[in-house]
Amino acid sequence: DTGVSQDPRHKITKRGQNVTFRCDPISEHNRLYWYRQTLGQGPEFLTYFQNEAQLEKSRLLSDRFSAERPKGSFSTLEIQRTEQGDSAMYLCASSLRQGANNEQFFGPGTRLTVL
Amino acid sequence: GNSVTQMEGPVTLSEEAFLTINCTYTATGYPSLFWYVQYPGEGLQLLLKATKADDKGSNKGFEATYRKETTSFHLEKGSVQVSDSAVYFCALSYYSSASKIIFGSGTRLSIRP
Repeated sequence: DTGVSQDPRHKITKRGQNVTFRCDPISEHNRLYWYRQTLGQGPEFLTYFQNEAQLEKSRLLSDRFSAERPKGSFSTLEIQRTEQGDSAMYLCASSLRQGANNEQFFGPGTRLTVL
Repeated sequence: GNSVTQMEGPVTLSEEAFLTINCTYTATGYPSLFWYVQYPGEGLQLLLKATKADDKGSNKGFEATYRKETTSFHLEKGSVQVSDSAVYFCALSYYSSASKIIFGSGTRLSIRP
């Protein structure tokens, strides 16, 4: 399977704990995006990388959130001191290039539940 | 700011019925428009897209036309099947803005046999 993969698929944690999610994009894709989707809503953009550079962060991405893509391949999203409001599906997407023909391919998501 | 508004669900139809899911957008300039679909237990998939005014995107019997004068991108299908049951998201993005996607809130579609 050469699609976008995410790990874990589900994470349950207690408030105040730190969590880290991983995304493996399609291998030749140089752009990687993170989105957050809460119940009954569409995904909301969080941040994106071109290769290893993080080029944009949404205002939704508070100081407790940090994302990395150290070698321009896989990416991690860490949430420190989790809060109940962080409960959501975290989606990763990758694309080959920017432009009108750019298509983002989405992974299955990591569902986070903060108790 | 830029936003997408789509009809609220759930929408329940009988098999072979005609489907319309309305979508309107607020944006400056010339965004690309998309419909994404999320089948139960699966990730988001691009269903169709249109990159300029009057373009028609089509796939799997679904169609949507980019209407700049009405800022709309309504999704239609002439005869739905049970397998079309899913959540449908209307969305837009800009070439000049890293192609990050702005999604509507989604419309859940259920098709009765």
